[in-house]
Amino acid sequence: DIQMTQSPSFLSASVGERVTLSCKASQNINKYLDWYQQKLGEAPKLLIYNTNNLHTGIPSRFSGSGSGTDYTLTISSLQPEDVATYFCLQRNSWYTFGAGTKLELK
Amino acid sequence: EVQLQQSGPEVGRPGSSVKISCKASGYTFTDYVMNWVKQSPGQGLEWIGWIDPEYGSTDYAEKFKKKATLTADTSSSTAYIQLSSLTSEDTATYFCARFNYAFAYWGQGTLVTVSS
Repeated sequence: DIQMTQSPSFLSASVGERVTLSCKASQNINKYLDWYQQKLGEAPKLLIYNTNNLHTGIPSRFSGSGSGTDYTLTISSLQPEDVATYFCLQRNSWYTFGAGTKLELK
Repeated sequence: EVQLQQSGPEVGRPGSSVKISCKASGYTFTDYVMNWVKQSPGQGLEWIGWIDPEYGSTDYAEKFKKKATLTADTSSSTAYIQLSSLTSEDTATYFCARFNYAFAYWGQGTLVTVSS
């Protein structure tokens, strides 16, 4: 089974700051990597699919990159509404979620 | 507008079963595979399995093969997950999620509490 390791587990950042979240796979996942945002009490929401494709309606401050085993979600300028937990998901072999990064405002 | 409306919270006794529904609207139900995802309290997300409503074919994560049964009723555009032999480990929120290029649409989640 493919394991997904997200880092950091917790991140505190200021409004306007550039934020980078990481996700590392235990083996090559061929860019089949999605990012989801989950706010408290809500269902996860798709942000990015296949590493770097922005889902419909998602603000352009969100972007994704990576290849092989290492992937990144970047928020170019953090907004208050971005406070949430972010999960990565690999779809190369079955489906495995990362444990999440909880993002809060400093 | 695509919507996935899940049934309400369930309480099940240890050893019993519960069945959760996910009613789809805004698209042709048989055109997309439906997945189910588990989120334990304060924990991350686990993929349970998927069902192709057109053919009734299913696949499950190894961990859930004896726990979950996925079905679909095309006449009502509703997908179901039945969880059997409930234990405290099954206390969680369960989501349905439609797959096209990713899990783009999710139900609101159904909380299952296992309690005697």
